[in-house]
Formats: sequence, C-alpha cells, structure tokens
Amino acid sequence: EAGVTQFPSHSVIEKGQTVTLRCDPISGHDNLYWYRRVMGKEIKFLLHFVKESKQDESGMPNNRFLAERTGGTYSTLKVQPAELEDSGVYFCASSQDLRWRTDTQYFGPGTRLTVL
Amino acid sequence: KQEVTQIPAALSVPEGENLVLNCSFTDSAIYNLQWFRQDPGKGLTSLLLIQSSQREQTSGRLNASLDKSSGRSTLYIAASQPGDSATYLCAVKGGNSGGSNYKLTFGKGTLLTVNP
Repeated sequence: EAGVTQFPSHSVIEKGQTVTLRCDPISGHDNLYWYRRVMGKEIKFLLHFVKESKQDESGMPNNRFLAERTGGTYSTLKVQPAELEDSGVYFCASSQDLRWRTDTQYFGPGTRLTVL
Repeated sequence: KQEVTQIPAALSVPEGENLVLNCSFTDSAIYNLQWFRQDPGKGLTSLLLIQSSQREQTSGRLNASLDKSSGRSTLYIAASQPGDSATYLCAVKGGNSGGSNYKLTFGKGTLLTVNP
C-alpha cells in the first residue's frame, strides 16, 4: 500500500511568487491534514479536511494560504504571494478513522519550501 | 492552549547505552500521545501511540510511558544502536484549552545521535 506522497519535495521561489504544494493521501483515507514546521519551531497544525470539506482551518496563518481538496482525494495548498516567513517544511498526513479518539495519522515526507 | 516540551533538545550517546527521552504537556486532558521518529529528509514515522487510559506501550526495544495527571511521557530506548539516530518527536491529541479533537500538538523534538 502506497503511503502519503507529496510533491514537490523541494521548492525554491522568490518573494511575491506563487507556489502550489500537492498531497496525495493514502487511498481510502477521508481525513487529510496539513502541518508546517518553520526553522527552529515545532510542527504546527494548519488545517483538516474530511473528504472535500474543511473541518478545521484554525491553524492557517493568513489569507495568503488557500487549501483545496476537490473530490475528496488529493489536496493542494497554495501560497500566494509567498513571503520570507513562509519558508519551512510542509507536511501532509492522512487517516482513515472518523472516530477521533482512535484516529492514527500517517505522514508524508514533506515539501521543503524556501522563499528568497 | 496546549503546549508540548521535549527535553533534552539534543542527546549524544555511545552505542549500547539505554536512554530516556522526556516529553511534557501543559493540558492533561488529552486523548492520546504519540511518539514519532523523523530521519533527515523523510516524513514522520509513528513509533508508539498511547491512549489516555493507558500507562505504557512497548514495541521491541522501545517503551513509552504516560502519566496523564502530571502531564508527562517518557520514551525509553534500550541498547541503543547507530540506526536509532534520528529526531524523536512527541505529539498529543486534544486538551481542553484549544486542542481540537483531531489535530496533533507537537514538541520541538530531541535530536538523538548514537555513536558507534
């Protein structure tokens, strides 16, 4: 069974440009999460999809970030326009169990975003 | 707001040594606690998950304990090997003050180096 995959693995862009990150969850997983780790800080939650619906987007830093999950399969996270402080590693995770007490999240390898 | 702290930030030990990694969290009303391992450039691999009703979990040379009332968990690694070198992350799910049912709150991690 394939794990969570993310593309690209690394992206280098200039301030003001747009970048789109993609996450393909494990097949059949209705829950999809985005997390981010900036240099020197802990991994922080960004948002949670259940199928195509946003369940919790309390961690999204500002309106420059837009996440979508059309059709309830893969998800994209767009940053427009990118700022220097957006640099970090963006992780995607997915889980199958809709019972939150026993939900186990499986993480992808992350996308390292560098904004110059 | 749930906060997770991991001590030490880095640890270097000779091969064969037994070691303990520490994790503390501020809000004891958690649903579960999870220990992850992260290798450079890789995603997070779940090592052990302890439900709030449990005291410990074991997997091979790893043993994780949970003292929910005092807000603490330890990860014990027996007979350490160079292949254990990685960053170890502690994450909790839930907590009355701001933790949603699904999102994980992470510590910054402990960077472990096991020297041959």
